[in-house]
Amino acid sequence: AQSVTQLDSQVPVFEEAPVELRCNYSSSVSVYLFWYVQYPNQGLQLLLKYLSGSTLVKGINGFEAEFNKSQTSFHLRKPSVHISDTAEYFCAVRGSGAGSYQLTFGKGTKLSVIP
Amino acid sequence: GAGVSQSPSNKVTEKGKDVELRCDPISGHTALYWYRQSLGQGLEFLIYFQGNSAPDKSGLPSDRFSAERTGGSVSTLTIQRTQQEDSAVYLCASSTPFRTSGRMYFGPGTRLTVL
Repeated sequence: AQSVTQLDSQVPVFEEAPVELRCNYSSSVSVYLFWYVQYPNQGLQLLLKYLSGSTLVKGINGFEAEFNKSQTSFHLRKPSVHISDTAEYFCAVRGSGAGSYQLTFGKGTKLSVIP
Repeated sequence: GAGVSQSPSNKVTEKGKDVELRCDPISGHTALYWYRQSLGQGLEFLIYFQGNSAPDKSGLPSDRFSAERTGGSVSTLTIQRTQQEDSAVYLCASSTPFRTSGRMYFGPGTRLTVL
């Protein structure tokens, strides 16, 4: 079984400032990691994912995340945020084994970009 | 192409009534998931269907909850004798058979309010 902890429930940040949304996971097996974004009144969209290979993963809208196996973390970063980045962000994990299909989500981090 | 669709988008019901929530997955996606999103609780896994295999019902919170998937396509989540704690957004997602991509496509959700 896996679990995900998103340490900050809300993150306010000024426009054009950098942001980091933290995610830590727990798992007894190798995992795949995901970040999803949910804009107001919309469904979840995949932002980026880590499956294997390079630990630095780039996603849509200028976001990137780095997989750190030793720290069991997958923090999401953006060097300069825009008003349109205001949304809720969910970190998720799935076991990488053949029988793994269930995505386990964190409780989400609400990012508010202040003009 | 068309994404995952869910109906109704909003449902208000009285305590004790039964409700049915519908999900139309992306054509060709054999895997279908139901999740529940409660305020401040993140996304909670409910049930998973994969092709003709027996569904994984391990996330259903009580025997008042049931789901079926007809013809390997449309799915219906039924909640009997609704309670106020059932109020939440119910999300459906679909994906191709699990491989390395693991990408799930989410519908916009059904917001259920139990009075």
